[in-house]
Amino acid sequence: DIQMTQSPSSLSASLGDRVTITCRASQSIDNYLNWYQQKPGKAPNLLIYAASVLQGAVPSRFSGSGSGADFTLTISSLQPEDFATYYCQQSYDSPFTFGPGTKVDIK
Amino acid sequence: QVLLQPSGPGLVKPSETLSLTCTVSGGSLSNYYWSWIRQPPGKGLEWIGYIYFRGHTDYSPSLKGRATISVDTSKNQFSLNLNSVTAADTAVYYCARDRSGNYYVSGSFDNWGEGILVTVSS
Repeated sequence: DIQMTQSPSSLSASLGDRVTITCRASQSIDNYLNWYQQKPGKAPNLLIYAASVLQGAVPSRFSGSGSGADFTLTISSLQPEDFATYYCQQSYDSPFTFGPGTKVDIK
Repeated sequence: QVLLQPSGPGLVKPSETLSLTCTVSGGSLSNYYWSWIRQPPGKGLEWIGYIYFRGHTDYSPSLKGRATISVDTSKNQFSLNLNSVTAADTAVYYCARDRSGNYYVSGSFDNWGEGILVTVSS
């Protein structure tokens, strides 16, 4: 299985801050990397697929980059609705695996 | 907007079989892959497996052959059976749609059901 790691595991930030979350795969996964946002008690919501493509109506303050084994999710200016847990997930090979998550809370 | 609604018992006894059904409304099962994903309380996400509307399946090896996913296109439903459950199978179970509407699986999930908590306990 491809193992996914994320850093940091949690972070505290203020409204308007620029936030960056990193994700690393245990092998090259090309650009088969997806990002999800999950709020407490809710299902995850797909933010970005193929490492950098915004899904649907996701706000443009979210961006993704990377290829190979190293990826980043950036929130350019943190908004109140962005406080949540973020997961990366590889779709390069089955079984599809998720990172352990990064919790973003209010400083 | 496609809606996915999981249903099934919230409590299952150890060694028995967990059975869940996901009903899809507002759209068809056709041309999509449909997955089950679970999340133990306070923990991360684990993909269980998927089924294509025509019946092709794939499963995570971590379930050690205990999972079976089936589809009923006449009812617009797909189901999960997980046998020989233990407390480690206690989780919120999600059903989800693969983003790709073509014949291939993208492995990303753009529509999720609300999640159903299944507790394994005697």
